[in-house]
Amino acid sequence: AQSVAQPEDQVNVAEGNPLTVKCTYSVSGNPYLFWYVQYPNRGLQFLLKYITGDNLVKGSYGFEAEFNKSQTSFHLKKPSALVSDSALYFCAVRDRYSSASKIIFGSGTRLSIRP
Amino acid sequence: DAGVTQSPTHLIKTRGQQVTLRCSPISGHKSVSWYQQVLGQGPQFIFQYYEKEERGRGNFPDRFSARQFPNYSSELNVNALLLGDSALYLCASSLVTESSYNSPLHFGNGTRLTVT
Repeated sequence: AQSVAQPEDQVNVAEGNPLTVKCTYSVSGNPYLFWYVQYPNRGLQFLLKYITGDNLVKGSYGFEAEFNKSQTSFHLKKPSALVSDSALYFCAVRDRYSSASKIIFGSGTRLSIRP
Repeated sequence: DAGVTQSPTHLIKTRGQQVTLRCSPISGHKSVSWYQQVLGQGPQFIFQYYEKEERGRGNFPDRFSARQFPNYSSELNVNALLLGDSALYLCASSLVTESSYNSPLHFGNGTRLTVT
């Protein structure tokens, strides 16, 4: 079965410091991986995706993610955190053996950036 | 262009009642999916509709049903509500075709359903 795991419920970072939000996946075959962000009382917003190609994927708002096949990880990163980055972040994988829109989400990581 | 719109934004129902949630996709998007997000968890897939046909169903009871209209808008119906159905219900649209299975989902802001 396809799955993703986000081992940290919360990540706390000082503004201006680099941030990393961890994600590991379990899929058969090549994975389609995504990161989404959710602000309070809002739906999810797409940040970036990995389909194939370069292991470093760049996305919205200065975020990037590094795909590591040997470690089955897809960590989200940003070189310099902003207070406005504080939100709930979800890693996700598309279920290759089901509907095209069946995305399997992790449990989420709350990112808190302190001024 | 307008994003995905959902109505109502909030809803309070009593156990045993029925509820209908509505969703309008982004113009040009023919695929609509529904997700349930319980507080503190990631969204869980309920349904996908594409070209007015059900293309996928998650692990939800038959009390949950949906349909898609000719204008690609969609409704999610939940019968015989239980306390455990309290959640944020998210609708997402995408440009899914047979050759674009990696298209990202575009989510609405959701409908917050509270069952008392």
